[in-house]
Amino acid sequence: DIQMTQSPSSLSASVGDRVTITCRASQSISNYLNWYQHKPGKAPNLLIYSASSLQSGVPSRFTGSGSGTDFTLTISSLQPEDFATYYCQQSYSAPCTFGQGTRLEIK
Amino acid sequence: EVQLVESGGGVVRPGGSLRLSCAASGFTFGDYGMSWVRQAPGKGLEWVSGINWNSGTTGYADSVKGRFTISRDNAKNSLFLQMNSLRAEDTALYYCARGEKYRRDSSIDYWGQGTLVTVSS
Repeated sequence: DIQMTQSPSSLSASVGDRVTITCRASQSISNYLNWYQHKPGKAPNLLIYSASSLQSGVPSRFTGSGSGTDFTLTISSLQPEDFATYYCQQSYSAPCTFGQGTRLEIK
Repeated sequence: EVQLVESGGGVVRPGGSLRLSCAASGFTFGDYGMSWVRQAPGKGLEWVSGINWNSGTTGYADSVKGRFTISRDNAKNSLFLQMNSLRAEDTALYYCARGEKYRRDSSIDYWGQGTLVTVSS
């Protein structure tokens, strides 16, 4: 199975900050990498698919990059509604494993 | 509007069984791969199982392989997860999720609100 490792596990930042979350796969997954935002009590929300494609309706301050084994999610200017937990997921092969999550908190 | 509504969760004893269902609407269900994803209390997301559009291929997490079975009925716009030999560590909120067209392994663009499964004696 492909293991997905996110860093950091948690992050404190302020409104307006630029933040980057990284995700590393245990083997090459080409660009089969997706990013989700998850808030308590709500269903997860797809932000980025295929490593760098912005899902419809998602603000352009979210960008994804990478290929092979190393990927990043960048939020260019944090907004209050962005404080949540973020997960990467590989869809290269089943089981389509998620990273352990990155909790983004208000500083 | 895409809607995914899960049902069938509840409290079950260790070793017991449950069958989760997901009623889909607002899209051509038979065209899409579908998955089940769970979140245990205080834990992260875990992909449980996936199925392609015509049931031709399925996949499972190692933690549930041999105990859970995913299936679908395209005529009834429904997805299922048969869960046998349940363990305490299967306690979680189970989400029904829509993948990409035709594919089993894919990103997930729509999620249900989840159904809670509690395994406890």
